[in-house]
Amino acid sequence: QSALTQPASVSGSPGQSITISCTGTSSDVGGYNYVSWYQQHPGKAPKLMIYDVSNRPSGVSNRFSGSKSGNTASLTISGLQAEDEADYYCSSYTSSSTLHVVFGGGTKLTVL
Amino acid sequence: QVQLVQSGAEVKKPGASVKVSCKASGYTFTSYGISWVRQAPGQGLEWMGWISAYNGNTNYAQKLQGRVTMTTDTSTSTAYMELRSLRSDDTAVYYCARCMTTDAFDIWGQGTMVTVSS
Repeated sequence: QSALTQPASVSGSPGQSITISCTGTSSDVGGYNYVSWYQQHPGKAPKLMIYDVSNRPSGVSNRFSGSKSGNTASLTISGLQAEDEADYYCSSYTSSSTLHVVFGGGTKLTVL
Repeated sequence: QVQLVQSGAEVKKPGASVKVSCKASGYTFTSYGISWVRQAPGQGLEWMGWISAYNGNTNYAQKLQGRVTMTTDTSTSTAYMELRSLRSDDTAVYYCARCMTTDAFDIWGQGTMVTVSS
C-alpha cells in the first residue's frame, strides 16, 4: 500500500491562498468521503484541521477548507498567516487488506 | 480538558520489546477508539493500528502483524502499545490518538520517542 501523493513543498505570501493536493486511488481517496488533513509544527503532535473531506473540527479557523474531486483531495488555506507555516498531512480510510488508514507523505508549507 | 498523556522516552536494543502507555482524561474512555501512529525521524506519519476501547477489538497494519499488540485498561482509562523484536527502523516517535470517527484523529498524545540502538 503506497502512501497518498502530496507535493513535497508549497509556499505563499501572507494574505495569499494556497492549495495542497493529495492524490490516491479508488480504494482510498476516490472511494470514500473519509479524507482528513493534519497540521504539524516542528516537534509537536499533529493537529486535526479537516475531517470527512470538508468538515472543520470546533476551534479550527474557517481559513482552512477541504474538497475532493475523483481520486484527489485538496486543502486550501486562505489569508495565509505566518503561523500557518508547518507540515501538512492528508489521510484517508482505505479498503486495502493491509491497512485501515493511509497517510500522505506530507507537504512543507513555507510562508514567505 | 480532554487529553492523552503518554509514557516517557525509551531506549532499547535490537530484538527487545517496548510498551508505551497512553492515559486518557476528560472524556468517557470507552466511547472512542484509540489509534497508534508513528513517525520516524524526518519522515511522515505511519498508521500502526486501532483498538476499540469499548470491546478491545483491534485492527493492525499488516506490516506489523505478529510484532504489535494493542490493549486497553478501562479501569485506568489507559491504552497500551507493545512492539516486539525491535529493529533499528522502528526508531520513531510513537503517538496515540483518539478516533473521532473511524479514520479521523482529533486528540493526540504528546508522543513517545523510542530509540532502537545497539
